[in-house]
Amino acid sequence: DAKTTQPNSMESNEEEPVHLPCNHSTISGTDYIHWYRQLPSQGPEYVIHGLTSNVNNRMASLAIAEDRKSSTLILHRATLRDAAVYYCIRIRESNFGNEKLTFGTGTRLTIIP
Amino acid sequence: ETGVTQSPTHLIKTRGQQVTLRCSSQSGHNTVSWYQQALGQGPQFIFQYYREEENGRGNFPPRFSGLQFPNYSSELNVNALELDDSALYLCASTGPEYNSPLHFGNGTRLTVT
Repeated sequence: DAKTTQPNSMESNEEEPVHLPCNHSTISGTDYIHWYRQLPSQGPEYVIHGLTSNVNNRMASLAIAEDRKSSTLILHRATLRDAAVYYCIRIRESNFGNEKLTFGTGTRLTIIP
Repeated sequence: ETGVTQSPTHLIKTRGQQVTLRCSSQSGHNTVSWYQQALGQGPQFIFQYYREEENGRGNFPPRFSGLQFPNYSSELNVNALELDDSALYLCASTGPEYNSPLHFGNGTRLTVT
């Protein structure tokens, strides 16, 4: 049970914004939404995370729906280096509990030059 | 920050053998989790250690075991290797701050023949 669902793949043109959706309809009140991306032959890399409010950092923005059942990772201006598999996962309030961190199959993002 | 390092990067073993994979976490990161990633799949949670004790486990048999040491290093041990154990094994460390992100290493590619 991946607990989050994402499209298998998406394409975007270089230098255009990209919106990557994630559904987490069974989310609980203490679950954070984390996004990671994985380049070929590398481990996943942290992108951004949030609980209820929209979040911004130097890499991306995270828009969380008001009912928290979905979220969208926004890359404001895609570059070729953003081509990767993007994972959204739920992480409980405490990392120290008996929590099974579950990754789905993610979204493979292809950037078209 | 020195990052998370894993060794070896690649390993070939024969069915029935035992293997030990190693991970060196960032200083101060007292939580480490291990994942198995099959080709084309997302990472699957094996287990998590906090302050040298296992405090969470995924759907993996007891022949998958681990250790965490006071110097922020950890090990994943797999006994009686099977062909299906061939995968990329990732470790991730987490800092003590509230809901810290996961910091992944680049993994060990294990091939069982």
